[in-house]
Formats: sequence, C-alpha cells, structure tokens
Amino acid sequence: DAGVTQTPRHEVAEKGQTIILKCEPVSGHNDLFWYRQTKIQGLELLSYFRSKSLMEDGGAFKDRFKAEMLNSSFSTLKIQPTEPKDSAVYLCASSLRTDYEQYFGPGTRLTVL
Amino acid sequence: GQQVQQSPASLVLQEGENAELQCNFSTSLNSMQWFYQRPGGSLVSLFYNPSGTKHSGRLTSTTVIKERRSSLHISSSQTTDSGTYLCALEPPGFASALTFGSGTKVIPCLP
Repeated sequence: DAGVTQTPRHEVAEKGQTIILKCEPVSGHNDLFWYRQTKIQGLELLSYFRSKSLMEDGGAFKDRFKAEMLNSSFSTLKIQPTEPKDSAVYLCASSLRTDYEQYFGPGTRLTVL
Repeated sequence: GQQVQQSPASLVLQEGENAELQCNFSTSLNSMQWFYQRPGGSLVSLFYNPSGTKHSGRLTSTTVIKERRSSLHISSSQTTDSGTYLCALEPPGFASALTFGSGTKVIPCLP
C-alpha cells in the first residue's frame, strides 16, 4: 500500500507568487490534514478535512492559505500571495478516522525569496 | 497556555544508556501519538497510545490519563536513535487534528 505522497518535494518561490502543493492520502483514509513545520513554531495545523468536508481551518492562516479536497484521493494547498515568512516544511497527513493514528507524507520544503 | 509540554528539550545519550522522554498535557485527550523525525525527514509514527503501555522493540510508550502524562522509554540506546521525538495529542470528540509538543532532540554522545 502506498503511503501519503506529496509533490513537489522542494519549491522555491519569489515573494508574491502563487504556489500549489499537492497531497494524495493513503487509499481509503477519510481524514486529511495539512500542517506546517518551522523551527520556531514547531508543527501547526493549517487545515483538516473529514470525508472531503473542511472541519477546521487554522485561524491564523485563513487569509492567504486555501486548502481544497475535490475528491477523496487528492488535496491541494494554495498559498497566494507567498511571503518570505511562509518558508517552512508543509506536511500532509491522513488517518482512517478518529481513534486511528495519522500517517505523514514526506513533506514539501518551501523557500520564499 | 501550551496544551502539550514535552521534556527534556534535548538529551545526550551514550550508546547502551536508557532514556525517558515525557509529555504532559493540560486538556483531556482521545489518544497520544509519538513520532520520530530525522533532520530533514518526515514524521514516522512510533505509537498510537490512548492509555496504558505499548512496546515496540527497544521502545515503550506509557500513557496515564489520570496523571495527564505520556512517556517514551528508549532502552539500550544506539547511535541510530538520534533525531527528534515528538508527542502529539489527539483531542476527544470529532476534532482529530493533533496538537504537537515541541520535541526532544536526542543527540549521540560520541566517544
């Protein structure tokens, strides 16, 4: 079984650009999460979907961050416009449902110049 | 305040030593999940532990809900254990998003 896949693995953007990160959850998983990891803030939740419905949209990230899940096997995270402070590793995770562990993808390392 | 407090922040381990990593939480939980992360790597799930004790090789996880703590024990450490260990709290109810501790960085003590 394939785990969580994320593309691209690395992304470099100029300030003000729009970037789209992609995630494919483990097949059959109902819950999908986007997290951001930085050295200073650690791991923070960006968005959480259950059966494609948005359950939680990290308050601090609403303005320029938009996650979508158009079908059960694919999700995108759009950052528009990017700012240098968005430089971080963006992690996608999926879980069968509540009461089950979360599995993480390899992450996308974003650098905004 | 911070819901999940992890300690110590870093730990230097000699090969063969045992170590105990702690997470204390201030809210109720559905489960505690422990992860391992190498520098530049992703999160590898070690344990999903709602309560009690679980074992996996040289690792043991214990969650005691009444005392609001969860621990990860590493026995007979090896240099390959170096990296960062993170605990994450799954809240009760339908909100499954994890709240992470700040991590414990395990550093090998080289001879």
